[in-house]
Amino acid sequence: NAGVTQTPKFQVLKTGQSMTLQCAQDMNHNSMYWYRQDPGMGLRLIYYSASEGTTDKGEVPNGYNVSRLNKREFSLRLESAAPSQTSVYFCASSESGRAEAFFGQGTRLTVV
Amino acid sequence: GENVEQHPSTLSVQEGDSAVIKCTYSDSASNYFPWYKQELGKGPQLIIDIRSNVGEKKDQRIAVTLNKTAKHFSLHITETQPEDSAVYFCATSGGGNKLTFGTGTQLKVEL
Repeated sequence: NAGVTQTPKFQVLKTGQSMTLQCAQDMNHNSMYWYRQDPGMGLRLIYYSASEGTTDKGEVPNGYNVSRLNKREFSLRLESAAPSQTSVYFCASSESGRAEAFFGQGTRLTVV
Repeated sequence: GENVEQHPSTLSVQEGDSAVIKCTYSDSASNYFPWYKQELGKGPQLIIDIRSNVGEKKDQRIAVTLNKTAKHFSLHITETQPEDSAVYFCATSGGGNKLTFGTGTQLKVEL
């Protein structure tokens, strides 16, 4: 039982490049989330998906898009990466109506 | 929206001492208060949580207390051990699925 799996673990991008961060969970959770973690700022919600087929903006959605591919998978796309998007990105999942979130190991992204 | 403040940002204690981390929140509708532990290079892991109908909850060496009137809640770790060294985050939720996190506390337990 792997829980929440994120790929890749590390990535370096040049400004303007695009990439997709992948996330999959095997806990049969309906809700999935993408957070970014920056020093001194805690975890901030980028986008979330309350259930398959729905997505909503969080606190810091600008510059990102998401796709809820199916119940297991929720991807985060950076269309044109900027240095301000250098961060550690975490995917999480939870059961419907419950806030107890389970996190993946994170993706450390550097945009140069 | 919800605002969660967490203090202190860093905390250093001697092994065996107690550690206390405090959080305040702004949204009176918040009713779920979890604490997460994040070890270096890993994702946050839920260690204890409390709901608004409970004032205190314990799990071995860790406990969480909640004061809804004052809108603050605290994490207490007793008999600290080196493996308790990590970053701790508080969070709140107002009934939906979304969590709002504090800015984190770096706890260092010194031998």
